[in-house]
Amino acid sequence: EPEVTQTPSHQVTQMGQEVILRCVPISNHLYFYWYRQILGQKVEFLVSFYNNEISEKSEIFDDQFSVERPDGSNFTLKIRSTKLEDSAMYFCASSEVMGRGYTFGSGTRLTVV
Amino acid sequence: GESVGLHLPTLSVQEGDNSIINCAYSNSASDYFIWYKQESGKGPQFIIDIRSNMDKRQGQRVTVLLNKTVKHLSLQIAATQPGDSAVYFCAENPQGGKLIFGQGTELSVKP
Repeated sequence: EPEVTQTPSHQVTQMGQEVILRCVPISNHLYFYWYRQILGQKVEFLVSFYNNEISEKSEIFDDQFSVERPDGSNFTLKIRSTKLEDSAMYFCASSEVMGRGYTFGSGTRLTVV
Repeated sequence: GESVGLHLPTLSVQEGDNSIINCAYSNSASDYFIWYKQESGKGPQFIIDIRSNMDKRQGQRVTVLLNKTVKHLSLQIAATQPGDSAVYFCAENPQGGKLIFGQGTELSVKP
Protein backbone atom coordinates (compact mmCIF):
# COMPACT_ATOMS: atom_id res chain seq x y z
CA GLU A 1 0.00 0.00 0.00
CA PRO A 2 1.38 3.45 -0.90
CA GLU A 3 2.73 5.48 2.01
CA VAL A 4 3.55 9.05 2.84
CA THR A 5 7.13 9.12 4.08
CA GLN A 6 8.46 11.71 6.51
CA THR A 7 12.01 12.40 7.57
CA PRO A 8 13.48 12.71 10.07
CA SER A 9 11.34 10.87 12.58
CA HIS A 10 12.73 13.02 15.38
CA GLN A 11 14.44 16.39 15.20
CA VAL A 12 15.93 18.26 18.12
CA THR A 13 16.86 21.88 17.51
CA GLN A 14 17.86 24.92 19.49
CA MET A 15 15.49 27.82 19.81
CA GLY A 16 16.00 30.31 17.00
CA GLN A 17 17.37 27.76 14.57
CA GLU A 18 15.81 26.94 11.24
CA VAL A 19 14.42 23.47 10.61
CA ILE A 20 13.20 21.76 7.48
CA LEU A 21 10.83 18.84 7.76
CA ARG A 22 10.65 16.61 4.73
CA CYS A 23 7.86 14.59 3.22
CA VAL A 24 7.44 12.38 0.19
CA PRO A 25 3.73 12.27 -0.66
CA ILE A 26 2.07 9.47 -2.56
CA SER A 27 3.16 9.78 -6.16
CA ASN A 28 -0.19 10.27 -7.90
CA HIS A 29 -1.58 12.63 -5.26
CA LEU A 30 -2.02 16.28 -6.14
CA TYR A 31 -2.94 17.85 -2.81
CA PHE A 32 -0.50 18.14 0.07
CA TYR A 33 -0.96 19.17 3.66
CA TRP A 34 0.86 19.81 6.91
CA TYR A 35 -0.72 19.33 10.30
CA ARG A 36 0.73 19.48 13.77
CA GLN A 37 -0.14 17.87 17.07
CA ILE A 38 1.11 19.27 20.34
CA LEU A 39 1.55 16.50 22.89
CA GLY A 40 -1.80 15.37 24.26
CA GLN A 41 -3.80 17.70 22.05
CA LYS A 42 -5.75 17.36 18.86
CA VAL A 43 -4.36 17.43 15.36
CA GLU A 44 -4.38 20.97 13.93
CA PHE A 45 -4.36 22.06 10.31
CA LEU A 46 -1.43 24.20 9.19
CA VAL A 47 -1.49 24.49 5.41
CA SER A 48 -2.70 22.93 2.19
CA PHE A 49 -0.82 23.07 -1.09
CA TYR A 50 -1.88 22.45 -4.65
CA ASN A 51 -0.45 23.28 -8.06
CA ASN A 52 2.69 24.72 -6.51
CA GLU A 53 0.96 27.22 -4.32
CA ILE A 54 -0.68 27.45 -0.92
CA SER A 55 -4.42 26.82 -1.11
CA GLU A 56 -5.26 27.58 2.48
CA LYS A 57 -3.41 28.23 5.72
CA SER A 58 -4.37 28.52 9.35
CA GLU A 59 -3.54 31.30 11.77
CA ILE A 60 -0.79 29.08 13.16
CA PHE A 61 1.00 29.24 9.81
CA ASP A 62 2.58 32.66 10.25
CA ASP A 63 5.56 34.24 8.52
CA GLN A 64 7.94 31.87 10.28
CA PHE A 65 6.52 28.96 8.29
CA SER A 66 6.90 28.19 4.62
CA VAL A 67 6.28 25.21 2.37
CA GLU A 68 7.89 24.16 -0.83
CA ARG A 69 7.76 21.41 -3.38
CA PRO A 70 11.34 21.65 -4.62
CA ASP A 71 11.07 18.76 -7.07
CA GLY A 72 8.53 16.22 -8.27
CA SER A 73 8.58 14.11 -5.15
CA ASN A 74 9.39 16.13 -2.01
CA PHE A 75 7.20 18.47 0.00
CA THR A 76 8.89 20.42 2.77
CA LEU A 77 7.89 22.52 5.76
CA LYS A 78 10.39 25.12 6.92
CA ILE A 79 10.28 26.89 10.25
CA ARG A 80 12.58 29.86 9.98
CA SER A 81 13.30 30.61 13.63
CA THR A 82 11.98 27.96 15.95
CA LYS A 83 10.32 28.75 19.26
CA LEU A 84 9.78 26.48 22.23
CA GLU A 85 6.07 26.32 21.43
CA ASP A 86 6.82 24.87 18.01
CA SER A 87 7.62 21.58 19.73
CA ALA A 88 5.07 19.11 18.39
CA MET A 89 4.49 16.21 16.05
CA TYR A 90 4.27 17.42 12.48
CA PHE A 91 2.28 15.30 10.07
CA CYS A 92 2.40 15.50 6.33
CA ALA A 93 -0.55 14.22 4.33
CA SER A 94 -1.53 13.94 0.71
CA SER A 95 -4.69 13.22 -1.23
CA GLU A 96 -5.72 12.60 -4.81
CA VAL A 97 -8.86 14.66 -4.44
CA MET A 98 -9.11 17.86 -2.40
CA GLY A 99 -10.22 17.07 1.14
CA ARG A 100 -10.89 13.40 0.45
CA GLY A 101 -8.90 10.22 0.84
CA TYR A 102 -6.13 11.63 2.96
CA THR A 103 -3.09 9.53 3.74
CA PHE A 104 -1.00 10.70 6.66
CA GLY A 105 2.66 10.08 7.26
CA SER A 106 4.03 8.82 10.56
CA GLY A 107 5.15 12.28 11.56
CA THR A 108 8.27 14.12 12.64
CA ARG A 109 8.62 14.82 16.33
CA LEU A 110 10.16 18.29 16.62
CA THR A 111 11.68 19.21 19.96
CA VAL A 112 12.86 22.77 20.42
CA VAL A 113 15.22 23.29 23.35
CA GLY B 1 -16.93 29.09 15.36
CA GLU B 2 -15.74 25.77 14.07
CA SER B 3 -15.34 22.95 16.51
CA VAL B 4 -15.46 19.22 16.61
CA GLY B 5 -15.62 17.71 20.06
CA LEU B 6 -15.90 14.36 21.73
CA HIS B 7 -18.21 13.45 24.58
CA LEU B 8 -15.90 10.94 26.28
CA PRO B 9 -12.16 11.42 26.59
CA THR B 10 -11.53 7.79 27.66
CA LEU B 11 -13.34 4.53 27.08
CA SER B 12 -12.47 1.19 28.60
CA VAL B 13 -14.10 -1.98 27.27
CA GLN B 14 -13.74 -5.69 27.68
CA GLU B 15 -12.30 -7.67 24.80
CA GLY B 16 -15.13 -8.96 22.64
CA ASP B 17 -17.56 -6.22 23.62
CA ASN B 18 -18.78 -3.55 21.24
CA SER B 19 -17.37 -0.04 21.55
CA ILE B 20 -19.13 3.21 20.75
CA ILE B 21 -17.18 6.42 20.41
CA ASN B 22 -19.09 9.67 20.03
CA CYS B 23 -18.34 13.01 18.45
CA ALA B 24 -20.18 16.31 18.14
CA TYR B 25 -19.56 18.80 15.39
CA SER B 26 -20.75 22.34 15.02
CA ASN B 27 -20.26 23.31 11.38
CA SER B 28 -23.46 22.76 9.42
CA ALA B 29 -21.54 23.23 6.17
CA SER B 30 -19.46 20.10 6.73
CA ASP B 31 -20.30 17.46 4.15
CA TYR B 32 -17.69 14.85 4.84
CA PHE B 33 -16.61 13.15 8.04
CA ILE B 34 -13.85 10.74 8.84
CA TRP B 35 -12.80 8.59 11.77
CA TYR B 36 -9.11 8.10 12.38
CA LYS B 37 -7.21 5.77 14.66
CA GLN B 38 -3.92 6.92 16.11
CA GLU B 39 -1.52 4.58 17.83
CA SER B 40 1.30 5.89 19.95
CA GLY B 41 4.02 7.53 17.88
CA LYS B 42 2.17 7.11 14.59
CA GLY B 43 0.13 9.27 12.29
CA PRO B 44 -3.65 9.18 11.99
CA GLN B 45 -4.83 6.07 10.22
CA PHE B 46 -8.05 6.16 8.20
CA ILE B 47 -10.81 3.92 9.53
CA ILE B 48 -14.01 4.92 7.78
CA ASP B 49 -15.67 7.96 6.28
CA ILE B 50 -19.17 9.13 5.53
CA ARG B 51 -20.70 11.84 3.39
CA SER B 52 -23.47 14.06 4.63
CA ASN B 53 -26.01 12.50 2.25
CA MET B 54 -25.77 9.26 4.23
CA ASP B 55 -26.65 8.43 7.81
CA LYS B 56 -24.89 5.10 8.15
CA ARG B 57 -21.92 3.38 6.61
CA GLN B 58 -20.43 0.03 7.46
CA GLY B 59 -16.95 -1.33 7.10
CA GLN B 60 -15.20 -4.35 8.45
CA ARG B 61 -16.20 -4.47 12.14
CA VAL B 62 -16.82 -0.72 12.12
CA THR B 63 -19.92 1.35 11.53
CA VAL B 64 -20.21 5.12 11.39
CA LEU B 65 -23.51 6.82 12.13
CA LEU B 66 -24.25 10.41 11.24
CA ASN B 67 -27.10 12.39 12.73
CA LYS B 68 -27.18 15.75 11.01
CA THR B 69 -30.17 16.94 13.02
CA VAL B 70 -28.13 17.02 16.23
CA LYS B 71 -24.73 17.23 14.53
CA HIS B 72 -23.53 13.98 16.01
CA LEU B 73 -21.20 11.32 14.70
CA SER B 74 -20.43 7.96 16.23
CA LEU B 75 -18.08 5.09 15.58
CA GLN B 76 -19.10 1.60 16.53
CA ILE B 77 -16.50 -1.13 16.74
CA ALA B 78 -17.83 -4.66 16.92
CA ALA B 79 -16.08 -7.38 18.94
CA THR B 80 -13.38 -5.03 20.17
CA GLN B 81 -9.90 -6.52 20.20
CA PRO B 82 -6.72 -5.53 22.06
CA GLY B 83 -5.32 -4.25 18.76
CA ASP B 84 -8.11 -1.68 18.69
CA SER B 85 -6.58 0.11 21.68
CA ALA B 86 -5.64 3.59 20.43
CA VAL B 87 -6.85 7.17 20.35
CA TYR B 88 -9.76 7.73 17.98
CA PHE B 89 -10.38 11.08 16.34
CA CYS B 90 -13.30 12.29 14.34
CA ALA B 91 -12.63 14.91 11.71
CA GLU B 92 -14.84 17.04 9.52
CA ASN B 93 -14.28 18.73 6.20
CA PRO B 94 -16.32 21.94 6.12
CA GLN B 95 -14.98 23.10 2.77
CA GLY B 96 -11.80 23.07 0.81
CA GLY B 97 -9.06 20.66 1.72
CA LYS B 98 -8.56 21.09 5.43
CA LEU B 99 -9.80 18.76 8.12
CA ILE B 100 -10.92 19.88 11.56
CA PHE B 101 -10.14 17.27 14.19
CA GLY B 102 -11.82 16.58 17.49
CA GLN B 103 -9.98 16.13 20.78
CA GLY B 104 -9.77 12.36 20.63
CA THR B 105 -11.04 9.46 22.71
CA GLU B 106 -8.64 6.94 24.12
CA LEU B 107 -9.97 3.42 23.78
CA SER B 108 -8.52 0.84 26.15
CA VAL B 109 -9.40 -2.82 25.61
CA LYS B 110 -9.09 -5.11 28.62
CA PRO B 111 -8.28 -8.77 27.89
